[in-house]
Amino acid sequence: EPEVTQTPSHQVTQMGQEVILRCVPISNHLYFYWYRQILGQKVEFLVSFYNNEISEKSEIFDDQFSVERPDGSNFTLKIRSTKLEDSAMYFCASSPQGATNEKLFFGSGTQLSVL
Amino acid sequence: KQEVTQIPAALSVPEGENLVLNCSFTDSAIYNLQWFRQDPGKGLTSLLLIQSSQREQTSGRLNASLDKSSGRSTLYIAASQPGDSATYLCAVRQGDNFNKFYFGSGTKLNVKP
Repeated sequence: EPEVTQTPSHQVTQMGQEVILRCVPISNHLYFYWYRQILGQKVEFLVSFYNNEISEKSEIFDDQFSVERPDGSNFTLKIRSTKLEDSAMYFCASSPQGATNEKLFFGSGTQLSVL
Repeated sequence: KQEVTQIPAALSVPEGENLVLNCSFTDSAIYNLQWFRQDPGKGLTSLLLIQSSQREQTSGRLNASLDKSSGRSTLYIAASQPGDSATYLCAVRQGDNFNKFYFGSGTKLNVKP
C-alpha cells in the first residue's frame, strides 16, 4: 500500500537554527498537511497545502514556519529559527482530493528536538 | 472551538476481552470522524473512517459507531489481542475549513497475554 514517507526520523538542532523537515506524499494525492504532537499533548493541525498554496493554517503556524513543494514529489516544512517549544513529533499527511469524505494518510513522523 | 475528548485515557485488559473506547466531541457539525492507531514513536495508522451520514463502519474485529447528534463515537474491539496494544486516537473533520482534523488525546490500550 502506498505510504507517506518522512525524513529524517529524528532531528536534533540548536535553538535559533533553521530546520527543514521533508515529506514525500502519496504520489497521486493533491492535498498535503503538517500536524505536530508535543510530548503528552494532542496532535494538532499546522497547515494544509493545495495547488502550491497554503489553503489553511493554524495560529501556531506563524512567520517562523513555511511550507514548500519544491518539485513534483517532495513537501517540506521549514522552521526558520527554532525555539525550545518547537520540540515535537511532526507528521506529514496527504489525501487524494481534499474531499470531505476522504481519509488522511499520515507518515511516521519526524521527532524534532531543539536544545 | 471543537473539543475532542477520549475516555478512558488508559485501559488494560486480558487477552480475548471485547472492549469499547469512547470519543466525544463538542460541535456536531462534522464531516466525518476517523479512528487512528498510534504505536510508540510511530505515525498514525488509519483504522476506520465514518462519514457524518453513517452510523457505523466495520473492519475485521473493529467496529466504529457514530452518533453525530449527541457528539459521540465508539470503537469496539472484539476478541482483543496483545498486538492491539497501542494508543487509539479519534479525530473529527470539521468546519468552514474542512481540511482540518481535531484530535482527541487518545486511549492507551494494553492487552495482556
